[in-house]
Amino acid sequence: DTAVSQTPKYLVTQMGNDKSIKCEQNLGHDTMYWYKQDSKKFLKIMFSYNNKELIINETVPNRFSPKSPDKAHLNLHINSLELGDSAVYFCASSHGTGVGQPQHFGDGTRLSIL
Amino acid sequence: EDKVVQSPLSLVVHEGDTVTLNCSYEVTNFRSLLWYKQEKKAPTFLFMLTSSGIEKKSGRLSSILDKKELFSILNITATQTGDSAIYLCAVEYLQGGYQLTFGKGTKLSVIP
Repeated sequence: DTAVSQTPKYLVTQMGNDKSIKCEQNLGHDTMYWYKQDSKKFLKIMFSYNNKELIINETVPNRFSPKSPDKAHLNLHINSLELGDSAVYFCASSHGTGVGQPQHFGDGTRLSIL
Repeated sequence: EDKVVQSPLSLVVHEGDTVTLNCSYEVTNFRSLLWYKQEKKAPTFLFMLTSSGIEKKSGRLSSILDKKELFSILNITATQTGDSAIYLCAVEYLQGGYQLTFGKGTKLSVIP
């Protein structure tokens, strides 16, 4: 059973398009996250979200928006895609509300912008 | 300026060797330090450290935190080819809210 699942695994699209990446966790965790990992493997947190609070990394462009229909899902919507958005995007989840709790990661979505 | 610095950036060792990976940090209001292992896909959690001087151990891996000198080490004894991965260090701290910053990782390659 996959604990944190993301879809799609690969996403190839053109500049200017709008796309979404879905994430679901079946661990009963309270907090979910989105990360961006660039070509140099540098992992950077974009958002953390629980049912009380959305914490946004201030460096994330407002073209990126998380949407949570329920506690088990946190989808990532990206508007007006740019070349620099090409990266692997990871979803993760953890117990509790602190970002420093051990996190379970999904397998990532590789986004390529043409 | 990087708040979390890992060294070395890459390392090649032979099976059976012991390795020590370093993670130093420069943050105020430190809360925790976490180690992750990333092979081909998702990072997987290894250790969470909050107190100085208390070693966490899991099989051949161990880690310890020094809050005075602001660093942590991850030791791997009797390395195996399956230990080849990128090892990531992350630090949680309080700065206008809870923040989590990852280091750039150490790429470990274990050759037979």
